[in-house]
Amino acid sequence: DAKTTQPNSMESNEEEPVHLPCNHSTISGTDYIHWYRQLPSQGPEYVIHGLTSNVNNRMASLAIAEDRKSSTLILHRATLRDAAVYYCILRDVRGESGGSNYKLTFGKGTLLTVNP
Amino acid sequence: DSGVTQTPKHLITATGQRVTLRCSPRSGDLSVYWYQQSLDQGLQFLIQYYNGEERAKGNILERFSAQQFPDLHSELNLSSLELGDSALYFCASSVGVGGGTAETQYFGPGTRLLVL
Repeated sequence: DAKTTQPNSMESNEEEPVHLPCNHSTISGTDYIHWYRQLPSQGPEYVIHGLTSNVNNRMASLAIAEDRKSSTLILHRATLRDAAVYYCILRDVRGESGGSNYKLTFGKGTLLTVNP
Repeated sequence: DSGVTQTPKHLITATGQRVTLRCSPRSGDLSVYWYQQSLDQGLQFLIQYYNGEERAKGNILERFSAQQFPDLHSELNLSSLELGDSALYFCASSVGVGGGTAETQYFGPGTRLLVL
């Protein structure tokens, strides 16, 4: 799996936007960019994913650089509930083992602290 | 609530013992993944089952085994337990249709295993 680099930690204030960066300079053309987050004492949860174009959903936005070597997860108005570890993960759209293995390879992620 | 259930929530046992962790995937999901989260290793993929068959293995020890039953629930068996096996064990599920899709994985709440 291609490698991603994220800051170890970031801090934000409640109701302000948060931009979480991820570098993935060795990304291949078939790699999707996925973001998951893990709230304290919970399992990881899906946030958003994209391939080339910017993506929006109810949780966040994903901005992908034109060369796809970096991306940014944007939380438009951080809440206390958004405090979590955010993982940027590359996943080959082809999967492995005949196209049905989509394991996630987690790095250390970014610990986001939201201040009230 | 992801729709993935795991039992038990907590498990305390002694070294040398054997335990079984259980996972029920979301309705309709064919793939089940097992992950281990420890303080020093982070979140690591262990094994995947797809529609009852083993599809991929990650960093799973020989003392560990898993299976997926006809009703698609899965069990992770950990034997000859050592202190270092103390960790959070997460199960995740996905549709698992394979080939060309960027699948989302849905994680359960985890089982916290403590080996004394």
